[in-house]
Amino acid sequence: GQNIDQPTEMTATEGAIVQINCTYQTSGFNGLFWYQQHAGEAPTFLSYNVLDGLEEKGRFSSFLSRSKGYSYLLLKELQMKDSASYLCAVREGNAGNMLTFGGGTRLMVKP
Amino acid sequence: GAVVSQHPSWVICKSGTSVKIECRSLDFQATTMFWYRQFPKQSLMLMATSNEGSKATYEQGVEKDKFLINHASLTLSTLTVTSAHPEDSSFYICSAETGGNHEKLFFGSGTQLSVL
Repeated sequence: GQNIDQPTEMTATEGAIVQINCTYQTSGFNGLFWYQQHAGEAPTFLSYNVLDGLEEKGRFSSFLSRSKGYSYLLLKELQMKDSASYLCAVREGNAGNMLTFGGGTRLMVKP
Repeated sequence: GAVVSQHPSWVICKSGTSVKIECRSLDFQATTMFWYRQFPKQSLMLMATSNEGSKATYEQGVEKDKFLINHASLTLSTLTVTSAHPEDSSFYICSAETGGNHEKLFFGSGTQLSVL
């Protein structure tokens, strides 16, 4: 089984930087995903980490430390459209490659 | 990129009726499909995993007789909510995984089910 924790809500200002943390406990770790989900829509893929370190994609970066069971999603130059839920999801290699999602972090970007 | 089509986008039905939701992979063969349920302001909860040609594997607490899943081909999986009740009202999302790409799941657009 897995236990995935992330903050429920965060607020940040347009143009700023925000870091959303995710901690997990799992056996047979086989990758961590970040998804963005706007209300009433399906999640959209943001990033994938399976090795330790930082993955950068434009304004979004994701970091993973497998030894600490820790990841974060970093959003730079925040825009109003970044207001959404951000879901951390972990895949276990011995669970048929299915994902288990954290509770999601609702980010509100204010002017 | 890979596309997963999910229909219908929304459905309103009377209590006691059954509703079928389809999930199709349009340009790839989906060896495995996943069905999730999401209540308002909550995260995705995995309901079941289906592999083409075999019985679905249901998560604990999900009634297999109520949520019928069929994965008859490599491009189509269906979820039927039988004898729906108001508490089944939720957002249902499917996702598909290909054998050749383990980095991403491809999500359908979701189905908002409202049971009156």
